[in-house]
Amino acid sequence: EDKVVQSPLSLVVHEGDTVTLNCSYEVTNFRSLLWYKQEKKAPTFLFMLTSSGIEKKSGRLSSILDKKELFSILNITATQTGDSAVYLCAGTNNAGNMLTFGGGTRLMVKP
Amino acid sequence: GAVVSQHPSRVICKSGTSVKIECRSLDFQATTMFWYRQFPKQSLMLMATSNEGSKATYEQGVEKDKFLINHASLTLSTLTVTSAHPEDSSFYICSAWDAGIFHEQYFGPGTRLTVT
Repeated sequence: EDKVVQSPLSLVVHEGDTVTLNCSYEVTNFRSLLWYKQEKKAPTFLFMLTSSGIEKKSGRLSSILDKKELFSILNITATQTGDSAVYLCAGTNNAGNMLTFGGGTRLMVKP
Repeated sequence: GAVVSQHPSRVICKSGTSVKIECRSLDFQATTMFWYRQFPKQSLMLMATSNEGSKATYEQGVEKDKFLINHASLTLSTLTVTSAHPEDSSFYICSAWDAGIFHEQYFGPGTRLTVT
């Protein structure tokens, strides 16, 4: 059975801190690892990682995938209160049509 | 990017009634759509995979007679919660798979169902 595990479950930091969120996966016929940010509604897409060792960046967020060790990390530098959200990672299969979600990491950034 | 809409965004219904939720892909054809349920402070749980023109595939533990899924066209899938009970109150999210170049799944904005 496919499994995606995220850690920590929750995290409280202060503005300006840097955080690292972890995601490990066991997905049959793995193709990609996706990161999402979820505030009050549906998840919004952040990154899709398909290749090992290639960092993807978007502003203060970056992410990298290790296909040998089967994990990914999401880094957020200089956190802001607007970064407070649940961050979800999901593994997708070869066809790209099945997502297995992790349990999420709830991040709270205090002023 | 591709857009997926859901309707309604919020619905309150009485126990025993049925509620239909629509999921539409607005600018692409989705042969496959997915229905997720999310309880407070929990992750998304896949309920079923909806394939256009064929029967939906339900995940273990999801009652197919209670959660009726119809994927009548390449842009529309519906989820009907039949004989709703308070424990069905949840956030229901659909996603549509664009099997084109990007092989992306796009999420709808979700429907908040409250059963009283």
